[in-house]
Amino acid sequence: GESVGLHLPTLSVQEGDNSIINCAYSNSASDYFIWYKQESGKGPQFIIDIRSNMNKRQGQRVTVLLNKTVKHLSLQIAATQPGDSAVYFCAEKRANTGNQFYFGTGTSLTVIP
Amino acid sequence: GAVVSQHPSWVICKSGTSVKIECRSLDFQATTMFWYRQFPKQSLMLMATSNEGSKATYEQGVEKDKFLINHASLTLSTLTVTSAHPEDSSFYICSAQREGRTYEQYFGPGTRLTVT
Repeated sequence: GESVGLHLPTLSVQEGDNSIINCAYSNSASDYFIWYKQESGKGPQFIIDIRSNMNKRQGQRVTVLLNKTVKHLSLQIAATQPGDSAVYFCAEKRANTGNQFYFGTGTSLTVIP
Repeated sequence: GAVVSQHPSWVICKSGTSVKIECRSLDFQATTMFWYRQFPKQSLMLMATSNEGSKATYEQGVEKDKFLINHASLTLSTLTVTSAHPEDSSFYICSAQREGRTYEQYFGPGTRLTVT
């Protein structure tokens, strides 16, 4: 049969520009979040994480912002490079469901050289 | 460190047959492993949580008799897709949680299953 599903949102940026990828989560009990990068045909790679008692965390070229009031998470990539082209997912750990992580829809980032 | 492998990386099988996918943590012990399914251009959907030495916990809507999970050791979990049908064609990804490290989860490279 025909598969029906959501298509990934897409974002195109020029090389060297900053990228902002957004994620909305629905469970107010989520206490830990991770951003993953997934290249075609591969498993997800950890980028950066943040706990719910923080609102900002910085890594190398990446920053994650957490707004618990509106249940929103964003990933900022500075000076985006062609190697950053991939699909980005946020994943949330819900405080009352053990150690499982639940993934958001994802965003496909394309960096234009 | 923290490498997770999956075998096979891709498999094609005929409708009605069963396929086993292995997930191994190569350099650490994993008391918990997770199995995900991912359809093209979609997100990862958690299927089940596999705990070493006990029965797996399945997410709502996932048939436990169709997707058999065995976690016989601290470094190996297997997912068997029984009586596979074309709609089971998907990318199956496992992740392993390092023993004693609740928030550290490492993903395998995935297995592409095509059922003809």
